[in-house]
This record gives sequence, C-alpha cells and structure tokens, in this order.
Amino acid sequence: GQQVMQIPQYQHVQEGEDFTTYCNSSTTLSNIQWYKQRPGGHPVFLIQLVKSGEVKKQKRLTFQFGEAKKNSSLHITATQTTDVGTYFCLFRGAQKLVFGQGTRLTINP
Amino acid sequence: KAGVTQTPRYLIKTRGQQVTLSCSPISGHRSVSWYQQTPGQGLQFLFEYFSETQRNKGNFPGRFSGRQFSNSRSEMNVSTLELGDSALYLCASSLLAGETAEQYFGPGTRLTVT
Repeated sequence: GQQVMQIPQYQHVQEGEDFTTYCNSSTTLSNIQWYKQRPGGHPVFLIQLVKSGEVKKQKRLTFQFGEAKKNSSLHITATQTTDVGTYFCLFRGAQKLVFGQGTRLTINP
Repeated sequence: KAGVTQTPRYLIKTRGQQVTLSCSPISGHRSVSWYQQTPGQGLQFLFEYFSETQRNKGNFPGRFSGRQFSNSRSEMNVSTLELGDSALYLCASSLLAGETAEQYFGPGTRLTVT
C-alpha cells in the first residue's frame, strides 16, 4: 500500500541550530499536510502543500513539496525551545489517511 | 468557537471489556476522523465519517467500530479489549471531507487496558 517514510525519527539540537525533517513517499502525492504535536498535547495543523515544487514559509519554518510530489520537508531556522515537539506529515492515500512516523525534536537551551 | 472535545479524557478498562469513546467536533464541521496513537506504531488511521456515513476505514480489526450522529458527534467502540489496545485515541474534525481538509484534533482519550 501507499506509504510515507519520515526521517529522522529523533533529532536533538542546540538552541539556535537549524532542524529539518523529511517525508518521502513511494508514490506521487496529491497534497501533504504538516502537523506539530507538543509533548502531552495533540497534533496541530501547520500547513498544507498542494503544488509541485511549492515552498511556503511561516516565520522561521520553511515547507517544501518536491517537484515530483513524492517528498516534502520542513525546515526550522534557528530553533527555539518553543519548537520542541514531534512533527508529522500527513497525506490522504487510497481510502485512508496516512501519517508519517514523526520526527521528535528536542532542544538543549 | 469551541474546539474539538473528547470524553472521557482517561479510561482504565480490563481485558475483555468494551469501551465507547465520544467526540464532539467543532460547530459546523461535518467530518470526523479517528486515530490511534501509540509509542511503537505512531498515529494510525481508524476511520473517517462524513454526514453520518463512514467514508474510509483503516486496517484495524472488526472489534473497532464507530458511528456518527446527525449532529456530527461521533463515537467509537472497541469490544473485547486487548492489552495492545492501550493507546491515546484522537479524533479530528474538519469542515468537509476530502484531501485538502485541514484537521482539528481533540485532546484525546487515554485508554489503559489492564
């Protein structure tokens, strides 16, 4: 079935360093969404990408959708302690919704 | 506007029992999806409802079932509970169903099976 691989599983950085998580699909995606889940919290929608090669920015966060629409990335510039949490990608596959495994970001202040 | 609410927030059950979890979507939202979250498996899709109809279903056994009412509130039921059913159950609502539907998650119900 349609699957998405998200890497890395864990990332620990010093505050101020950059962070990137990647989602890679075996098949072409129609769109992809990104969510953030803080420790003890629930997933919160960040953004949706629809177009091939699309790049969207939200302050220090940059989201990209690959030209072939098979991969996507979330990049955080100059991490802050408020960025701590798990970042998930989500897409709608054949008759079901599929989350990536998530990348758990921890930050050393 | 009130967010997605889930009840109960915490639940402890024993193996073999059944459980019903409830989800009230954001007012005006007609689509509700359910997910199971565990440390080992991450977030896994259970089912999706829109206007009282199940649109999609994940790869879970028949012990997991759900329904949606005319006011868009949804319930999910797990029968013959197993230890492996211990998880955080999240529901999410969206205005419409479809690929571009942004989902709003509730706080979840933490189910512990002993």
